[in-house]
Amino acid sequence: DTAVSQTPKYLVTQMGNDKSIKCEQNLGHDTMYWYKQDSKKFLKIMFSYNNKELIINETVPNRFSPKSPDKAHLNLHINSLELGDSAVYFCASSQDTGRNQPQHFGDGTRLSIL
Amino acid sequence: AQSVAQPEDQVNVAEGNPLTVKCTYSVSGNPYLFWYVQYPNRGLQFLLKYITGDNLVKGSYGFEAEFNKSQTSFHLKKPSALVSDSALYFCAVRGQSGGSYIPTFGRGTSLIVHP
Repeated sequence: DTAVSQTPKYLVTQMGNDKSIKCEQNLGHDTMYWYKQDSKKFLKIMFSYNNKELIINETVPNRFSPKSPDKAHLNLHINSLELGDSAVYFCASSQDTGRNQPQHFGDGTRLSIL
Repeated sequence: AQSVAQPEDQVNVAEGNPLTVKCTYSVSGNPYLFWYVQYPNRGLQFLLKYITGDNLVKGSYGFEAEFNKSQTSFHLKKPSALVSDSALYFCAVRGQSGGSYIPTFGRGTSLIVHP
């Protein structure tokens, strides 16, 4: 009955590789997000989609490309991985784009670049 | 630009004592404020929010938060702390950027409740 699920939970790979993280929500929400949490626990929004349409893109390198095949899924593909990409990536969803809507987070994907 | 400040990296409190985790914000227009909790190796969980109305907001697990417009603060409180409350707490604000409402999070406060 997991509301927001991400796979994989852990991802260890070498610099220069390409990798993808998948996210699915079963809450019936319209809006989904990707966040990056660094080693100091600072949380920064990367992207947001509403009904498969990109609505927030926060100065993220072009190597990061989100894709939303439907409103229940939001995947993140990362090309040419760099050491600085090591972090925990969280997927989240909310009912809609309203300011009053709380977000529901997955448990994160821990990405380590060797 | 909007911002959130959590001035304490860590708060220590004895079990049974009241706790306060501080948050101040800066945003254009009316503030929409949230508190989240993060346990180790887990995602953030929503605790409570302030949109409008009463300045004292009640949320999950016995937590409440006090909104103070003149001090631009939204401090998280609990009358009696439990060891299980030990976690990382994030304050967040949602302001408008173009046609979207961007969420901005504070840097988090680690709450440690001692038995």
